Amino acid sequence: AQSVTQPDIHITVSEGASLELRCNYSYGATPYLFWYVQSPGQGLQLLLKYFSGDTLVQGIKGFEAEFKRSQSSFNLRKPSVHWSDAAEYFCAVGAEGQGFSFIFGKGTRLLVKP
Amino acid sequence: DADVTQTPRNRITKTGKRIMLECSQTKGHDRMYWYRQDPGLGLRLIYYSFDVKDINKGEISDGYSVSRQAQAKFSLSLESAIPNQTALYFCATSGTGWSTEAFFGQGTRLTVV
Repeated sequence: AQSVTQPDIHITVSEGASLELRCNYSYGATPYLFWYVQSPGQGLQLLLKYFSGDTLVQGIKGFEAEFKRSQSSFNLRKPSVHWSDAAEYFCAVGAEGQGFSFIFGKGTRLLVKP
Repeated sequence: DADVTQTPRNRITKTGKRIMLECSQTKGHDRMYWYRQDPGLGLRLIYYSFDVKDINKGEISDGYSVSRQAQAKFSLSLESAIPNQTALYFCATSGTGWSTEAFFGQGTRLTVV
């Protein structure tokens, strides 16, 4: 069965430090991969997506992610974190099963220290 | 106006009551989804629909039903609400091909007392 694992429930980084959020997926074929961000009290906003082609994808707000097939990973990175990046981040797989649906990880909450 | 609109945004209801959460979208997408979010559990799929005649159960459909009234409208019902259905509910839509990404509403916070 398809699944998404985000190993880190919480991550704390200092403002200006680099960030990497981990995501591993289980899926038989090449999946559609997504990262979403959820600010408190808000819906989910797409940061970036990967369908095929270049394995390093650029997103909004200075985020990027790298697809590594051999590791079944799609980690999210940002070189310098801003206080406004504090939010919850969700990795998702777009998967064919009984139809097509999005499977989400449990999320990683990012805290930013001043 | 938002692409995906959910009503109500907040609702408190009593155990055993029937409640409907509504969702409408202006994206023109055929695919619509209902998810619930619980702390530490991420988003779990309740139901999804690819057109008005195509409705599918998701991971956690027990206790819920849906209606796809039109391409733009997809409602979620709790026939007899129970406290463990207290959660944040999200509606989403998606295109296909290169437009395959989920667009989310702002969510409905439901509390069952």
